[in-house]
Amino acid sequence: DIQMTQSPSSLSASVGDRVTISCRASQGISTYLSWYQQKPGKAPKLLIYAASSLQSGVPSGFSGSGSGTDFTLTISSLQPEDFGTYYCQQTYSTPWTFGQGTKVEVK
Amino acid sequence: EVHLVESGGGLIQPGGSLRLSCAASGFTVSSNYMSWVRQAPGKGLEWVAVIYSGGTAYYADSVKGRFTISRDSSKNTLFLQMNSLRAEDTAVYYCARVDYDYYYAMDVWGQGTTVTVSS
Repeated sequence: DIQMTQSPSSLSASVGDRVTISCRASQGISTYLSWYQQKPGKAPKLLIYAASSLQSGVPSGFSGSGSGTDFTLTISSLQPEDFGTYYCQQTYSTPWTFGQGTKVEVK
Repeated sequence: EVHLVESGGGLIQPGGSLRLSCAASGFTVSSNYMSWVRQAPGKGLEWVAVIYSGGTAYYADSVKGRFTISRDSSKNTLFLQMNSLRAEDTAVYYCARVDYDYYYAMDVWGQGTTVTVSS
């Protein structure tokens, strides 16, 4: 199975800060990598697919990059509504797997 | 508008069975890949199963042999039959549409249904 490791596990940043979240796969997954945002008590929301493609309706301040084993989600200017937990997921091979999540707090 | 609504969750004793449903609107379940994802209390997301449009299904090792994903075209509904339930199956279960063109990203999610396995 492919293991997905995110870092950091949590972070606290101020409004306007640039935030980066890393996701590493235990083996190469090309660009079969998605990013999701989840707020407490809510279903996950797709932000980025194919490692770097922005889902329709998602603010342009979110971006993704990477291929192979190393990936990054960047929030260019953190907004108050960006709090929540962010997950990466690989869909290169089954069983599909998620990272453990990164909890983002807005100071 | 595209929409998914799960139902069928509840309290069940260990060893019992439960069938979750996921009713879709705005698109055709059988023409899409569909998946189940769960989240144990206070934990992260765990992928459970996927069914391809052709009917092929894959499962997480933790549920293989106990859970079955299926669909009913006439009802435009996805199902998850869960047998031999264990305490560790306690979670919120989400159904999601998988977009083949988006490298299998899950672009539409239901609101979730809660399963509690306890005596």
